[in-house]
Amino acid sequence: NAGVTQTPKFQVLKTGQSMTLQCAQDMNHEYMSWYRQDPGMGLRLIHYSVGAGITDQGEVPNGYNVSRSTTEDFPLRLLSAAPSQTSVYFCASSYNGKPSGELFFGEGSRLTVL
Amino acid sequence: AQKVTQAQTEISVVEKEDVTLDCVYETRDTTYYLFWYKQPPSGELVFLIRRNSFDEQNEISGRYSWNFQKSTSSFNFTITASQVVDSAVYFCALSEYSSASKIIFGSGTRLSIRP
Repeated sequence: NAGVTQTPKFQVLKTGQSMTLQCAQDMNHEYMSWYRQDPGMGLRLIHYSVGAGITDQGEVPNGYNVSRSTTEDFPLRLLSAAPSQTSVYFCASSYNGKPSGELFFGEGSRLTVL
Repeated sequence: AQKVTQAQTEISVVEKEDVTLDCVYETRDTTYYLFWYKQPPSGELVFLIRRNSFDEQNEISGRYSWNFQKSTSSFNFTITASQVVDSAVYFCALSEYSSASKIIFGSGTRLSIRP
């Protein structure tokens, strides 16, 4: 039972570099989302998707791109990393596209931008 | 716009004490859902409970209990006879039925249980 799998778990980037955080779930969940966790800020929603081909912005979308070509995968792209994007990123999924579902989280990806 | 406030940044109590974590929310919707999640020191996020806006009945699960009061827009979480294993960051979250699947979290309360 893999659940929600995030890779990589740790990454160090230089300012201006690009990278993709991968997220995959094997529960056939329609809903997937990305959060970032910063000290004192809690979890802030970056982008979310209610199904393949459908994405939308959350609270803090600037600097991040997403796509949802399959039900299983929801990658988060940083096109030009900035130190302000240093954070722990969590991917989450839910069994339906409605807001009532319990979120299943990945283990997190710690990103440092120098 | 939906908002969740957890005013208690950190709480520290001695083991076996009771402790209440506060959560105050804002929403314009009549249909919404409230959640509590736990993040132990290992870092994973664990779902604890979900309530919908039409069910104000309090819930008890072992040493955990939740008090939902629409009149004060609060959804407080109480741990009875706390244990060291309860040490974690606890997040309250809200989703509005009209907001197309945005689940918004509060800033969290770090709970430390001292032996």
